[in-house]
Amino acid sequence: ILNVEQSPQSLHVQEGDSTNFTCSFPSSNFYALHWYRWETAKSPEALFVMTLNGDEKKKGRISATLNTKEGYSYLYIKGSQPEDSATYLCAFLGNAGNMLTFGGGTRLMVKP
Amino acid sequence: DADVTQTPRNRITKTGKRIMLECSQTKGHDRMYWYRQDPGLGLRLIYYSFDVKDINKGEISDGYSVSRQAQAKFSLSLESAIPNQTALYFCATSARHRDEQYFGPGTRLTVT
Repeated sequence: ILNVEQSPQSLHVQEGDSTNFTCSFPSSNFYALHWYRWETAKSPEALFVMTLNGDEKKKGRISATLNTKEGYSYLYIKGSQPEDSATYLCAFLGNAGNMLTFGGGTRLMVKP
Repeated sequence: DADVTQTPRNRITKTGKRIMLECSQTKGHDRMYWYRQDPGLGLRLIYYSFDVKDINKGEISDGYSVSRQAQAKFSLSLESAIPNQTALYFCATSARHRDEQYFGPGTRLTVT
């Protein structure tokens, strides 16, 4: 079983704050790293699929970076809004397997 | 209309009963997956299928079985439900191996 860890487990910020969280994954046999956003009572939705070391992806106020050599990815949210409140999941795909391994998620709560 | 649908959305059943959860997709994807989510844990893969004739066990397949009736349909069965199978179950699809996955709305299953 692969070890994919996310930190922190939960985060409370004020509206307007910028924030970031971490996904750690095995640094060997890397194939892809996914980020998903999961709002309460909804389905997880993909934010980014990252495949290359040094990748940076951006969607609106959310961006992500990838370091496959050291086995981590950061997700950044600039100027958090209440609608950003959700659980953010990362998932690792190794080149030796066919399955995404998900981290436990970071639950973000943005207070107005 | 949703691209990935699941039925039922909620189900309460008794220990020892057989139950089937159904998933249908209109995205035309070959790859389909069943996950379960437990509080505090990430999504864990139960079974996955890369086409109608290809079905594979995931991380936690014991106590579950699946059927891929067509490209668009992938069902999950609990042959004899037990209380620790109480969880939120998600079906997902993807176009290719490393592509983002599209999730259904989830089925909340309670086994009493």
